Amino acid sequence: EVQLVEAGGGLVQPGGSLRLSCAASGFTFSRNWMHWVRQAPGKGLVWVSHINNDGSSTTYADSVKGRFTISRDNAKNTLYLQMSSLRAEDTAVYYCASGGSYFDYWGQGTLVTVSS
Amino acid sequence: EIVLTQSPGTLSLSPGERATLSCRASQSVSSSYLAWYQQKPGQVPRLLIYGASSRATGIPDRFSGSGSGTDFTLTISRLEPEDFAVYYCQQYGSSPGWTFGQGTKVEIK
Repeated sequence: EVQLVEAGGGLVQPGGSLRLSCAASGFTFSRNWMHWVRQAPGKGLVWVSHINNDGSSTTYADSVKGRFTISRDNAKNTLYLQMSSLRAEDTAVYYCASGGSYFDYWGQGTLVTVSS
Repeated sequence: EIVLTQSPGTLSLSPGERATLSCRASQSVSSSYLAWYQQKPGQVPRLLIYGASSRATGIPDRFSGSGSGTDFTLTISRLEPEDFAVYYCQQYGSSPGWTFGQGTKVEIK
């Protein structure tokens, strides 16, 4: 059974940093592109970032470019999102998801709240 | 950036009725790269349709997808009580790569 389990969310002050992680199991993690997708409270889904299977290629939404960094450790079957210079508008549930052109498996999400 | 516009914003229907959801793209989207998701309150999004018309594993055949170019449709042939949810379309293409529509809520009339 495919499982994606996010961790690392919490309350952080504006301008602060946070690192999210996503532990994967039940599939060959090293062969899959991975993504972060977020959803602000009561709002829709927004794609945040992607990383290819070996970590050599990454892309970001304009809203997080230069502030967020996606990475992965294939030996640990873990995906990461380093978030810095956080803003109130980054408040959301952050999901990790697997897939290429679409997202076939999703984690349960971790809530990030940016507030003073 | 390709913008996806979903309509209507809310669809009020009764169980057993047919639901037709629209997703319009600001530029042409390859049919191979158009997907639909279902999200129920408090739950994780679930992949329904990929490649515009292929059902994901375990998705009932009352769900179908169609369309090409800039116009895509998700049809639910006969609504079951568990189908009342928010539905999102999503595309993969040119920079930044992946975008979602704003969602259509299918609610019980």
